[in-house]
Amino acid sequence: GQNIDQPTEMTATEGAIVQINCTYQTSGFNGLFWYQQHAGEAPTFLSYNVLDGLEEKGRFSSFLSRSKGYSYLLLKELQMKDSASYLCAAPRGSARQLTFGSGTQLTVLP
Amino acid sequence: EPEVTQTPSHQVTQMGQEVILRCVPISNHLYFYWYRQILGQKVEFLVSFYNNEISEKSEIFDDQFSVERPDGSNFTLKIRSTKLEDSAMYFCASTEGESSYNEQFFGPGTRLTVL
Repeated sequence: GQNIDQPTEMTATEGAIVQINCTYQTSGFNGLFWYQQHAGEAPTFLSYNVLDGLEEKGRFSSFLSRSKGYSYLLLKELQMKDSASYLCAAPRGSARQLTFGSGTQLTVLP
Repeated sequence: EPEVTQTPSHQVTQMGQEVILRCVPISNHLYFYWYRQILGQKVEFLVSFYNNEISEKSEIFDDQFSVERPDGSNFTLKIRSTKLEDSAMYFCASTEGESSYNEQFFGPGTRLTVL
């Protein structure tokens, strides 16, 4: 089966850096996704990791350690618009459907 | 930029009624999915669809649910006899291939309210 754990909530200040952690247990590993979801909206893709290490994409970076079953999303230079839920997700099955974590609700304060 | 579209944005129905949620996936995509998200809960996989048939389905996707691709563009989810607990946001998604790195693009969702 699949199990994905992430903190429920985090708070950070505008301009700061925040790290959102995700631990996973999967039967078979096909990489890990991070999605952003604003309230009432659809998830939107942020990053995908399949190899160990850091993937950088502008203000957002994602890290993976397969041996530890661990990933994190790093958000730099936080902006108010970054207030959202951040979802860790693992693909599985022949069609690679996504199993999502419960999401981490990030609140960015001025 | 191509996007997944869904209609209606909001559907209100009485318990026991049938509803059809519609999706138009991105045109060159081959894999289609339905997910649901009950308010305040996680996004849950319902069903995947490829080559005009169901690829996989979750335990949530019981006999009251069905999917169809009636033409070359639409992808529908039918709930035969809605229950109160079916109230949720339903997201359609599509991706161009079966590789794990293929990003799934999500539609804006249909909010279903069952009274």
